[in-house]
Amino acid sequence: QKEVEQDPGPLSVPEGAIVSLNCTYSNSAFQYFMWYRQYSRKGPELLMYTYSSGNKEDGRFTAQVDKSSKYISLFIRDSQPSDSATYLCAMSASGANSKLTFGKGITLSVRP
Amino acid sequence: DSGVTQTPKHLITATGQRVTLRCSPRSGDLSVYWYQQSLDQGLQFLIQYYNGEERAKGNILERFSAQQFPDLHSELNLSSLELGDSALYFCASSVVSEGTQYFGPGTRLLVL
Repeated sequence: QKEVEQDPGPLSVPEGAIVSLNCTYSNSAFQYFMWYRQYSRKGPELLMYTYSSGNKEDGRFTAQVDKSSKYISLFIRDSQPSDSATYLCAMSASGANSKLTFGKGITLSVRP
Repeated sequence: DSGVTQTPKHLITATGQRVTLRCSPRSGDLSVYWYQQSLDQGLQFLIQYYNGEERAKGNILERFSAQQFPDLHSELNLSSLELGDSALYFCASSVVSEGTQYFGPGTRLLVL
């Protein structure tokens, strides 16, 4: 079993839809949870960062962490064609100064 | 723009050859990480340097090595290249006060 599992997708939604992206993990040492967005042929770009359990909102994006279920989610409201990209969840045990363990990523396409 | 730079953007070489990938972290960041991204394995951590010293190793092959120089730039050396080494190689940097890593644009390596 991989440490981090992410729905493989791909996912296609109409513009304006609410998108839910999810990851599960097995390593209970993970304390820091991130979502990265990666456009084709570009480097991963940090979208959201959460420490421990709870919710965090930033504009149209909401990140949720449920450590008891080892489950994290990213919600995108009012999705736009510009949100079309690959979304990667990432986790670490010790924050900035430790390696990130990534999910394989899910490719999202938002249709105009 | 994350502030992390990587050169070259693209590299095409033959099996058995050796290449060097270069990374300059964001100004002030002491930690540099190297990751490999392939279609089947996703983003995988290779190695971390902190202020010139090796800090952590992931699934890095013995044919691969890295170093971080006094000016904090880092180089990843890949030798005896095989077809399976074809991938995107990313460098990331982080600062102690933040819990996240910022990624460069990557180097796309193609081994023929």
